[in-house]
Amino acid sequence: EPEVTQTPSHQVTQMGQEVILRCVPISNHLYFYWYRQILGQKVEFLVSFYNNEISEKSEIFDDQFSVERPDGSNFTLKIRSTKLEDSAMYFCASSEMGLYNEQFFGPGTRLTVL
Amino acid sequence: KNEVEQSPQNLTAQEGEFITINCSYSVGISALHWLQQHPGGGIVSLFMLSSGKKKHGRLIATINIQEKHSSLHITASHPRDSAVYICAVMNDKLIFGTGTRLQVFP
Repeated sequence: EPEVTQTPSHQVTQMGQEVILRCVPISNHLYFYWYRQILGQKVEFLVSFYNNEISEKSEIFDDQFSVERPDGSNFTLKIRSTKLEDSAMYFCASSEMGLYNEQFFGPGTRLTVL
Repeated sequence: KNEVEQSPQNLTAQEGEFITINCSYSVGISALHWLQQHPGGGIVSLFMLSSGKKKHGRLIATINIQEKHSSLHITASHPRDSAVYICAVMNDKLIFGTGTRLQVFP
């Protein structure tokens, strides 16, 4: 069964460093999403992406964040200069046709900023 | 006030019990997701529904759009059902509830 994959599963970085989190969505899906979950808190929407453009973003998704689909398969989230409060689980998801379709989630990347 | 409220926050049950988890929301939605989050953190989509009722195995989800309320039922609960169950509503993005932590004991 097709699934969303994410790498790495765990990333440890120093404050101020850049990190890139990688996702491979399901191959025929057209809509891609990033979410984050700070330990003990609820999942929060970061950004949605369609047709090589951001379609929605939350107030969390500031200038420190960017997303890219560098090739036909990967979807990346970059955090330019990490802060302690960026420590969280980051989930990628994809859907076939957008908000009105079911989203399939990846296993997550746990980011720890020291 | 949270746009999506779930109750209860924590739930313990004996194996075999019938479980109900409730979700109320305050925004207009196009659909509602029920998700399961395992202890390792992974999220699995259980249902997406916009009206009525859906059933998958021992899981049943219902939604009442007029009352802005949804329920997730688990029949004949089993220890492997232990997880966090999350309600998330769709408008221009997914808005998540805080989750209900379910523990089922043998």
